[in-house]
Amino acid sequence: DIQLTQSPSFLSASVGDRVTITCRASQGISSYLAWYQQKPGKAPKLLIYAASTLQSGVPSRFSGSGSGTEFTLTISSLQPEDFATYYCQQLNSYPPGFTFGPGTKVDIK
Amino acid sequence: QVQLVQSGAEVKKPGSSVKVSCKASGGTFSSYAISWVRQAPGQGLEWMGRIIPILGIANYAQKFQGRVTITADKSTSTAYMELSSLRSEDTAVYYCARTGEVQGPKGYYYYMDVWGKGTTVTVSS
Repeated sequence: DIQLTQSPSFLSASVGDRVTITCRASQGISSYLAWYQQKPGKAPKLLIYAASTLQSGVPSRFSGSGSGTEFTLTISSLQPEDFATYYCQQLNSYPPGFTFGPGTKVDIK
Repeated sequence: QVQLVQSGAEVKKPGSSVKVSCKASGGTFSSYAISWVRQAPGQGLEWMGRIIPILGIANYAQKFQGRVTITADKSTSTAYMELSSLRSEDTAVYYCARTGEVQGPKGYYYYMDVWGKGTTVTVSS
């Protein structure tokens, strides 16, 4: 099975900071990767799919890049509503394995 | 705008089964797959499996093979997830999520863009 790791597990940042989260896959997954944001007590929200395609309605300060085994989620200027936990997810087309990474919690400095 | 409405919280005994429903409203049900994802208290997200309602085909994560059954009723636009042989470690919030796809140069790119609010399942003796 494909395993995902995320770094860092936790980061403390201030409003306006540029934030980068990395997701690494145990084997190449092309661009079959999505990013989600989750706030406490809420369902996850899709931010990015196909590694770099911004979901409709998601602010442009969010961007994704990478392919193969290394991916990044960047928030160009952190806003108060961005403090949350972020998960990457690999969505390999066959066999269907939609594993999530362990998550990165972004907290207020 | 499609919404996914999940059934209410459940409390179950160890060894029993639970069946959670997910009803789609306001959009096309059969055109998309429905995935089930769970989250234990304080833990991360765990994909359990998915069903393609129009085909009636379900795929499961290896961890849950033999213990989970995902079905769909196209006539009521409802998907179901049944988990059997419950143990305390199955205590979690269970989410359904619409799973779409777009065709790319090397295959289909999947995504989960609409989520239910979650159903809390508590397993306790």
